[in-house]
Amino acid sequence: SQTIHQWPATLVQPVGSPLSLECTVEGTSNPNLYWYRQAAGRGLQLLFYSVGIGQISSEVPQNLSASRPQDRQFILSSKKLLLSDSGFYLCAWNTERQGSYTFGSGTRLTVV
Amino acid sequence: GQNIDQPTEMTATEGAIVQINCTYQTSGFNGLFWYQQHAGEAPTFLSYNVLDGLEEKGRFSSFLSRSKGYSYLLLKELQMKDSASYLCAVRAFYKLSFGAGTTVTVRA
Repeated sequence: SQTIHQWPATLVQPVGSPLSLECTVEGTSNPNLYWYRQAAGRGLQLLFYSVGIGQISSEVPQNLSASRPQDRQFILSSKKLLLSDSGFYLCAWNTERQGSYTFGSGTRLTVV
Repeated sequence: GQNIDQPTEMTATEGAIVQINCTYQTSGFNGLFWYQQHAGEAPTFLSYNVLDGLEEKGRFSSFLSRSKGYSYLLLKELQMKDSASYLCAVRAFYKLSFGAGTTVTVRA
């Protein structure tokens, strides 16, 4: 069966520090991968998506970047965190065969 | 981009029915999804419509009218555990874009 792993679950980082969040999918190949952010009390904002290894599409200009070094691995990074980067970060995947999008358990990031 | 509108909050009584409406404007429409999200948790998939009409899944049903850019999620026989945020999401090309969500509170 397909599973999605996302870690860490919570993270508290100082302003100006780097960030690396990792997401991996198991049990499927060539998934479409997504990073979303949800600010407190707000909807989900699509940050990045990838339809293949090394292919990244950015939805909004921001202080973050994404990479896909392997087929089932998606990484969200920042060189220097801002206070406004705080939020709930969610990784998701789908394939054309499985139309629905499955979310990881999320990382709650607090920048202090 | 997509404009997706849904009410902010709704309150209903246990055992009742609630209908959450969603309107959208998009190019390249390729499906409408409903997700449930409990506070502090990730969204979980409820339903998917790509053709016009009603999809029924137990206590939950979802309807789509592509010509009107309109969908609704119907929750029947409400239970306390149904208190959550319900997210309407529209897929266009590869991307799934979400509305701000409707917080449903079920009262005893």
